[in-house]
Amino acid sequence: DQQVKQNSPSLSVQEGRISILNCDYTNSMFDYFLWYKKYPAEGPTFLISISSIKDKNEDGRFTVFLNKSAKHLSLHIVPSQPGDSAVYFCAADFTSGTYKYIFGTGTRLKVLA
Amino acid sequence: KAGVTQTPRYLIKTRGQQVTLSCSPISGHRSVSWYQQTPGQGLQFLFEYFSETQRNKGNFPGRFSGRQFSNSRSEMNVSTLELGDSALYLCASRTGSGANVLTFGAGSRLTVL
Repeated sequence: DQQVKQNSPSLSVQEGRISILNCDYTNSMFDYFLWYKKYPAEGPTFLISISSIKDKNEDGRFTVFLNKSAKHLSLHIVPSQPGDSAVYFCAADFTSGTYKYIFGTGTRLKVLA
Repeated sequence: KAGVTQTPRYLIKTRGQQVTLSCSPISGHRSVSWYQQTPGQGLQFLFEYFSETQRNKGNFPGRFSGRQFSNSRSEMNVSTLELGDSALYLCASRTGSGANVLTFGAGSRLTVL
């Protein structure tokens, strides 16, 4: 049972344009969501997070949107840069103490110069 | 501040053998988690330790085990290796005091022949 789904395994975007990565979840009890970026031969690095009490969080070129009714979140990267080419994972968590993330399967973003 | 350090980075084993992977968390981080990454499956939670106690465990067979030492360093062990255990094993740490953001190491890539 995949509780967190990233249905697009890959995405290609032109440099300077917007990249939109999507993530769906099934468990309405999740109350904290994160995005991680992973380059080959490196561990995932934290990008941005959002609590379920918010519907938007912004950090520079990265914005995460949360739609609780649709159980959907998205990561927007504007403008996209070639260095953003990586695999992006969304993750969900419970702040009440299960101490584990549920990750999606990842979306490989390729930003074309 | 040094990051999360995992050793070894790469290793090759044969079926039936056992393997031990090591993880040194960020100084001051008392929580260590382990994840398995395989193609198409994203990151799957193995277990989480805090102050030498396992707080949570994922859905893996008993061949997968771990422990944490008093200095917060952690090891995971996989016994009776199977071909399907070939994966990237990622360790992550966090303070453990309510903080949700995990910091990952670069991983140990295990190949089982």
